Amino acid sequence: EPEVTQTPSHQVTQMGQEVILRCVPISNHLYFYWYRQILGQKVEFLVSFYNNEISEKSEIFDDQFSVERPDGSNFTLKIRSTKLEDSAMYFCASSGEPITQYFGAGTRLSVL
Amino acid sequence: AQSVTQLDSQVPVFEEAPVELRCNYSSSVSVYLFWYVQYPNQGLQLLLKYLSGSTLVKGINGFEAEFNKSQTSFHLRKPSVHISDTAEYFCAVIDSGGYQKVTFGIGTKLQVIP
Repeated sequence: EPEVTQTPSHQVTQMGQEVILRCVPISNHLYFYWYRQILGQKVEFLVSFYNNEISEKSEIFDDQFSVERPDGSNFTLKIRSTKLEDSAMYFCASSGEPITQYFGAGTRLSVL
Repeated sequence: AQSVTQLDSQVPVFEEAPVELRCNYSSSVSVYLFWYVQYPNQGLQLLLKYLSGSTLVKGINGFEAEFNKSQTSFHLRKPSVHISDTAEYFCAVIDSGGYQKVTFGIGTKLQVIP
């Protein structure tokens, strides 16, 4: 069964450093998303991406965040200068018919 | 904007007993409804969804849910749970016009007791 793949599973970084979280969506999907879950809190929407541009973003998704689809298979989330409060589980999702989203296993980001 | 309320943060239940996990939502527009399951150290897996049609939807692993528009609820049920059902369950909605972000509930931890 096709699945969304995320790498790495755990990323540890120092405050102020840049991180790139990687995702390989399901191959024929056209809609891509990032979410995050801070420990003990709800899963929150960050951004959606379609046709090589951001289609919607939340107020969390400020200038330190960016997304890119650098080739035909990868979808990345970059955090330019990490803060302690960026520590969370980050989930990538994709969908083919823009309703049902399929999620990856997540990347746990720990900012020290 | 829509919101999702899962009334129970934890639900302990004995193996082979029935279970119901409650979910209520609020929205000013029509929504699509989902249940996702997260097993320990794994990602979010789609359990079932309601888009339209019959209000009783069946999902994987013997789970089902019923959409009740008047009560704005989408409760998840299973008639007989197994140890392997121990996981966290998330109710979620999408605005039927937006097709963009999923709004999640806080999650309910189901603990199946042998």
